[in-house]
Amino acid sequence: KNEVEQSPQNLTAQEGEFITINCSYSVGISALHWLQQHPGGGIVSLFMLSSGKKKHGRLIATINIQEKHSSLHITASHPRDSAVYICAVRRGTSGSRLTFGEGTQLTVNP
Amino acid sequence: GAVVSQHPSRVICKSGTSVKIECRSLDFQATTMFWYRQFPKQSLMLMATSNEGSKATYEQGVEKDKFLINHASLTLSTLTVTSAHPEDSSFYICSALTGAIPDYGYTFGSGTRLTVV
Repeated sequence: KNEVEQSPQNLTAQEGEFITINCSYSVGISALHWLQQHPGGGIVSLFMLSSGKKKHGRLIATINIQEKHSSLHITASHPRDSAVYICAVRRGTSGSRLTFGEGTQLTVNP
Repeated sequence: GAVVSQHPSRVICKSGTSVKIECRSLDFQATTMFWYRQFPKQSLMLMATSNEGSKATYEQGVEKDKFLINHASLTLSTLTVTSAHPEDSSFYICSALTGAIPDYGYTFGSGTRLTVV
Protein backbone atom coordinates (compact mmCIF):
# COMPACT_ATOMS: atom_id res chain seq x y z
CA LYS A 1 0.00 0.00 0.00
CA ASN A 2 1.36 3.40 -0.98
CA GLU A 3 1.97 5.86 1.82
CA VAL A 4 0.13 8.53 -0.19
CA GLU A 5 -2.93 7.59 -2.17
CA GLN A 6 -4.99 9.78 -4.41
CA SER A 7 -8.43 9.37 -5.89
CA PRO A 8 -9.64 9.36 -8.49
CA GLN A 9 -6.77 8.46 -10.82
CA ASN A 10 -8.56 10.01 -13.76
CA LEU A 11 -11.30 12.60 -13.79
CA THR A 12 -13.19 14.09 -16.71
CA ALA A 13 -15.46 17.07 -16.15
CA GLN A 14 -17.44 19.59 -18.12
CA GLU A 15 -16.45 23.20 -17.98
CA GLY A 16 -18.01 24.90 -14.98
CA GLU A 17 -18.25 21.81 -12.81
CA PHE A 18 -17.02 21.66 -9.21
CA ILE A 19 -14.14 19.23 -8.88
CA THR A 20 -12.75 17.40 -5.87
CA ILE A 21 -9.54 15.39 -5.73
CA ASN A 22 -8.77 13.42 -2.60
CA CYS A 23 -5.52 12.47 -0.93
CA SER A 24 -5.06 10.06 1.98
CA TYR A 25 -1.79 9.32 3.70
CA SER A 26 -0.71 6.76 6.24
CA VAL A 27 2.35 8.37 7.83
CA GLY A 28 2.94 11.23 10.19
CA ILE A 29 3.58 14.41 8.28
CA SER A 30 4.73 17.94 8.91
CA ALA A 31 3.16 19.34 5.73
CA LEU A 32 1.16 18.36 2.68
CA HIS A 33 1.64 19.90 -0.74
CA TRP A 34 -0.61 20.03 -3.76
CA LEU A 35 1.22 20.29 -7.06
CA GLN A 36 0.02 20.84 -10.60
CA GLN A 37 1.88 19.24 -13.50
CA HIS A 38 1.14 20.71 -16.90
CA PRO A 39 1.04 18.62 -20.09
CA GLY A 40 4.54 19.81 -20.95
CA GLY A 41 5.85 18.43 -17.69
CA GLY A 42 6.46 21.57 -15.66
CA ILE A 43 5.33 21.46 -12.04
CA VAL A 44 3.84 24.30 -10.05
CA SER A 45 3.33 24.25 -6.31
CA LEU A 46 -0.28 25.16 -5.54
CA PHE A 47 -0.58 24.84 -1.78
CA MET A 48 1.34 23.88 1.31
CA LEU A 49 -0.88 22.82 4.20
CA SER A 50 -0.18 21.84 7.76
CA SER A 51 -3.70 22.45 9.04
CA GLY A 52 -7.07 23.87 8.08
CA LYS A 53 -7.88 25.33 4.72
CA LYS A 54 -6.32 27.57 2.10
CA LYS A 55 -7.86 29.32 -0.89
CA HIS A 56 -6.28 30.81 -3.97
CA GLY A 57 -8.59 32.00 -6.69
CA ARG A 58 -10.81 29.08 -7.73
CA LEU A 59 -8.69 26.56 -5.86
CA ILE A 60 -9.36 25.45 -2.31
CA ALA A 61 -7.31 22.95 -0.33
CA THR A 62 -8.26 21.43 2.99
CA ILE A 63 -6.55 19.05 5.34
CA ASN A 64 -7.76 16.97 8.28
CA ILE A 65 -4.72 15.93 10.28
CA GLN A 66 -6.64 13.53 12.53
CA GLU A 67 -8.13 11.69 9.57
CA LYS A 68 -4.93 11.97 7.49
CA HIS A 69 -6.87 13.27 4.55
CA SER A 70 -6.71 16.26 2.26
CA SER A 71 -8.88 17.49 -0.57
CA LEU A 72 -8.26 19.84 -3.46
CA HIS A 73 -11.32 21.56 -4.86
CA ILE A 74 -11.63 23.48 -8.09
CA THR A 75 -14.67 25.69 -8.48
CA ALA A 76 -16.03 26.70 -11.88
CA SER A 77 -13.58 24.43 -13.67
CA HIS A 78 -12.10 25.51 -16.99
CA PRO A 79 -10.30 23.63 -19.77
CA ARG A 80 -7.06 25.33 -18.75
CA ASP A 81 -7.32 23.47 -15.42
CA SER A 82 -6.60 20.24 -17.32
CA ALA A 83 -3.43 18.86 -15.79
CA VAL A 84 -2.13 16.22 -13.42
CA TYR A 85 -2.63 17.13 -9.77
CA ILE A 86 -0.19 15.57 -7.35
CA CYS A 87 -0.44 15.26 -3.59
CA ALA A 88 2.89 15.10 -1.77
CA VAL A 89 3.71 14.91 1.93
CA ARG A 90 6.76 15.87 3.91
CA ARG A 91 7.27 13.36 6.64
CA GLY A 92 8.50 14.02 10.15
CA THR A 93 9.82 17.28 11.45
CA SER A 94 13.36 17.54 10.20
CA GLY A 95 13.49 15.81 6.84
CA SER A 96 12.90 17.73 3.64
CA ARG A 97 12.15 15.09 1.04
CA LEU A 98 8.65 14.62 -0.33
CA THR A 99 6.64 11.43 -0.77
CA PHE A 100 4.34 11.63 -3.77
CA GLY A 101 0.94 10.28 -4.65
CA GLU A 102 0.37 8.78 -8.08
CA GLY A 103 -1.38 11.87 -9.35
CA THR A 104 -4.85 12.59 -10.71
CA GLN A 105 -5.24 13.31 -14.40
CA LEU A 106 -7.92 15.96 -14.77
CA THR A 107 -9.49 16.73 -18.12
CA VAL A 108 -11.99 19.56 -18.36
CA ASN A 109 -13.95 19.62 -21.58
CA PRO A 110 -15.43 22.84 -22.99
CA GLY B 1 8.69 34.26 -6.25
CA ALA B 2 11.46 31.70 -6.42
CA VAL B 3 12.28 30.50 -9.93
CA VAL B 4 14.35 27.53 -11.03
CA SER B 5 15.52 27.53 -14.63
CA GLN B 6 16.19 24.08 -16.08
CA HIS B 7 18.00 23.44 -19.37
CA PRO B 8 17.76 21.91 -21.84
CA SER B 9 14.03 21.25 -22.04
CA ARG B 10 14.53 18.50 -24.60
CA VAL B 11 17.60 16.60 -25.68
CA ILE B 12 18.20 13.73 -28.04
CA CYS B 13 21.53 12.00 -27.78
CA LYS B 14 23.21 8.94 -29.17
CA SER B 15 23.70 5.86 -27.06
CA GLY B 16 27.02 5.97 -25.25
CA THR B 17 27.28 9.74 -25.02
CA SER B 18 26.83 11.89 -21.92
CA VAL B 19 24.24 14.56 -21.33
CA LYS B 20 24.33 17.38 -18.80
CA ILE B 21 21.18 18.93 -17.36
CA GLU B 22 21.41 22.23 -15.50
CA CYS B 23 19.18 23.74 -12.88
CA ARG B 24 19.75 27.33 -11.82
CA SER B 25 18.03 29.20 -9.04
CA LEU B 26 17.47 32.65 -10.47
CA ASP B 27 16.60 34.81 -7.50
CA PHE B 28 17.47 32.81 -4.43
CA GLN B 29 20.14 30.54 -3.07
CA ALA B 30 19.36 26.86 -3.37
CA THR B 31 21.29 25.00 -0.72
CA THR B 32 19.38 21.80 -1.40
CA MET B 33 18.27 20.45 -4.78
CA PHE B 34 16.29 17.32 -5.46
CA TRP B 35 16.59 15.42 -8.74
CA TYR B 36 13.68 13.33 -9.93
CA ARG B 37 12.96 10.98 -12.77
CA GLN B 38 9.49 10.40 -14.15
CA PHE B 39 8.31 7.71 -16.51
CA PRO B 40 5.11 8.18 -18.54
CA LYS B 41 1.94 8.02 -16.47
CA GLN B 42 3.95 7.56 -13.29
CA SER B 43 4.74 9.79 -10.38
CA LEU B 44 8.03 11.43 -9.56
CA MET B 45 10.82 9.17 -8.37
CA LEU B 46 13.52 10.77 -6.26
CA MET B 47 16.97 9.97 -7.62
CA ALA B 48 19.19 12.01 -5.34
CA THR B 49 19.41 14.95 -3.01
CA SER B 50 22.25 17.39 -3.44
CA ASN B 51 23.49 19.94 -0.95
CA GLU B 52 25.76 22.77 -2.00
CA GLY B 53 29.39 21.96 -1.42
CA SER B 54 28.92 18.33 -0.46
CA LYS B 55 28.39 14.99 -2.12
CA ALA B 56 24.91 14.10 -3.27
CA THR B 57 22.88 11.48 -1.43
CA TYR B 58 21.56 8.90 -3.86
CA GLU B 59 18.43 6.81 -3.42
CA GLN B 60 18.71 3.06 -3.32
CA GLY B 61 19.07 1.59 -6.77
CA VAL B 62 20.34 4.78 -8.42
CA GLU B 63 23.84 4.41 -9.83
CA LYS B 64 25.90 7.34 -8.62
CA ASP B 65 28.59 6.75 -11.26
CA LYS B 66 26.00 6.92 -14.00
CA PHE B 67 24.03 9.89 -12.74
CA LEU B 68 26.63 12.42 -11.66
CA ILE B 69 25.33 15.30 -9.60
CA ASN B 70 27.32 18.44 -8.93
CA HIS B 71 26.14 21.24 -6.70
CA ALA B 72 29.20 23.44 -6.60
CA SER B 73 27.43 26.74 -6.06
CA LEU B 74 24.33 28.02 -4.34
CA THR B 75 22.67 28.79 -7.66
CA LEU B 76 23.63 25.85 -9.87
CA SER B 77 23.13 22.11 -9.67
CA THR B 78 23.82 19.77 -12.57
CA LEU B 79 22.89 16.19 -13.40
CA THR B 80 25.06 14.39 -15.93
CA VAL B 81 23.80 11.15 -17.41
CA THR B 82 26.97 9.33 -18.42
CA SER B 83 27.17 6.72 -21.16
CA ALA B 84 23.48 7.09 -21.81
CA HIS B 85 21.44 4.15 -23.03
CA PRO B 86 17.90 3.99 -24.42
CA GLU B 87 16.59 2.84 -21.04
CA ASP B 88 17.75 6.18 -19.60
CA SER B 89 15.20 7.93 -21.79
CA SER B 90 12.87 9.66 -19.38
CA PHE B 91 11.71 13.00 -18.01
CA TYR B 92 14.12 14.51 -15.49
CA ILE B 93 13.12 17.37 -13.22
CA CYS B 94 14.82 19.23 -10.41
CA SER B 95 13.33 20.91 -7.39
CA ALA B 96 14.96 23.42 -5.09
CA LEU B 97 14.16 23.55 -1.41
CA THR B 98 13.10 26.99 -0.26
CA GLY B 99 12.29 28.44 3.11
CA ALA B 100 13.22 26.85 6.40
CA ILE B 101 11.85 24.40 8.94
CA PRO B 102 8.92 24.08 9.44
CA ASP B 103 7.84 25.96 6.32
CA TYR B 104 9.80 24.30 3.56
CA GLY B 105 8.67 25.10 0.04
CA TYR B 106 9.63 23.46 -3.22
CA THR B 107 10.26 25.19 -6.53
CA PHE B 108 10.46 22.95 -9.55
CA GLY B 109 12.32 23.34 -12.80
CA SER B 110 10.45 22.90 -16.06
CA GLY B 111 11.94 19.49 -16.69
CA THR B 112 14.13 17.88 -19.34
CA ARG B 113 12.88 15.21 -21.70
CA LEU B 114 15.80 12.98 -22.58
CA THR B 115 15.65 10.62 -25.53
CA VAL B 116 18.57 8.28 -26.12
CA VAL B 117 18.70 6.76 -29.59
